[in-house]
Amino acid sequence: AQKITQTQPGMFVQEKEAVTLDCTYDTSDPSYGLFWYKQPSSGEMIFLIYQGSYDQQNATEGRYSLNFQKARKSANLVISASQLGDSAMYFCAMSPRGGGNKLTFGTGTQLKVEL
Amino acid sequence: DVKVTQSSRYLVKRTGEKVFLECVQDMDHENMFWYRQDPGLGLRLIYFSYDVKMKEKGDIPEGYSVSREKKERFSLILESASTNQTSMYLCASATTRKPAAATNEKLFFGSGTQLSVL
Repeated sequence: AQKITQTQPGMFVQEKEAVTLDCTYDTSDPSYGLFWYKQPSSGEMIFLIYQGSYDQQNATEGRYSLNFQKARKSANLVISASQLGDSAMYFCAMSPRGGGNKLTFGTGTQLKVEL
Repeated sequence: DVKVTQSSRYLVKRTGEKVFLECVQDMDHENMFWYRQDPGLGLRLIYFSYDVKMKEKGDIPEGYSVSREKKERFSLILESASTNQTSMYLCASATTRKPAAATNEKLFFGSGTQLSVL
């Protein structure tokens, strides 16, 4: 069975600093996808970034990058130049065996950006 | 932009009531999902549907049922609400690429319904 682990229930970062949110996963499948979602206080889940298990390069989307270390089974999210609007809950997720979009989610990390 | 709309943002019901949570998407997506979100547990899949009138159980289907009579609408039903079903419920939709089993198909979510069962 697939499993996603996020060990940081809460994180604080100063505005304009970079922050890394940890995510480790467990799967025996050779092909899988990893996602990060942001959930602000409004409740809506917002897709941030995707990494495929066969992708040669780490994914980047603006200020978001995914530090993918396949041998360690980790897919950490790096947010550069943090902004107050980055304060939210962040979820790591994995696509299931065989592909498709029945995602398995981690427990989330609450990020607070401070002045 | 894809829009997934959940009919209520907040809902308060009594134990034993039959509860309907409605979700509508406007992008002709084949796949729709219901998750519940609890602190410390993340999101857990309740039910999903890959087509009209089709449904499959997720990881925690007990106490829930679903209905998908039209492609754009996916309803979650609590037959007899209990206090342990107090939670945030999130609906999501996505496309399907056939026949390839792609891994990069992201979900589009609604804003969630915070249900309190008293």
